[in-house]
Amino acid sequence: NAGVTQTPKFQVLKTGQSMTLQCAQDMNHNSMYWYRQDPGMGLRLIYYSASEGTTDKGEVPNGYNVSRLNKREFSLRLESAAPSQTSVYFCASSSFTDTQYFGPGTRLTVL
Amino acid sequence: QKEVEQNSGPLSVPEGAIASLNCTYSDRGSQSFFWYRQYSGKSPELIMFIYSNGDKEDGRFTAQLNKASQYVSLLIRDSQPSDSATYLCAVNPGAGNNRKLIWGLGTSLAVNP
Repeated sequence: NAGVTQTPKFQVLKTGQSMTLQCAQDMNHNSMYWYRQDPGMGLRLIYYSASEGTTDKGEVPNGYNVSRLNKREFSLRLESAAPSQTSVYFCASSSFTDTQYFGPGTRLTVL
Repeated sequence: QKEVEQNSGPLSVPEGAIASLNCTYSDRGSQSFFWYRQYSGKSPELIMFIYSNGDKEDGRFTAQLNKASQYVSLLIRDSQPSDSATYLCAVNPGAGNNRKLIWGLGTSLAVNP
């Protein structure tokens, strides 16, 4: 099992460009999450999907959109990237025990 | 506002000592509690979870939960330099929270050889 996979691992964008971060899990989990992590700010929830077909805003959703494509995949889209979105992005999934398993992360720089 | 608080550290301990990491939470109805370890540049990985009051042991790690005092701690026995990392405490506040966790900012641990 690969667990949670994320692509790309690194990305550099110019202000105003768009991109989609991809996430997939092979653990048959219902719930999936997107976080960003910045120095001194901890993990902040951007969006989550409690089950296939549902998505909800987290703590910092502005500037992002998500798609729960199917049970395995949950993508995060930046429509018009801003320097404030420079961060490390983690995708996670969880089982009925609420334990969250994380992907390796995407390091995004917006110039 | 539901909160999880941790001392940011750094906590420095000598190799072989016991490292004690603490976490307090604000929501008295919280049901499940998690400790994650995060090495620099890596993603968080689960160490252990605890649901019931008392101690739970897994190898060199012991989680302690006291719901009356609203704190959860992690003890690392025989600390090794490879334990040097940031330790994140996470709490599920319970029913209606849709499986979201509330995260502390983490405690940085340095184990000195």
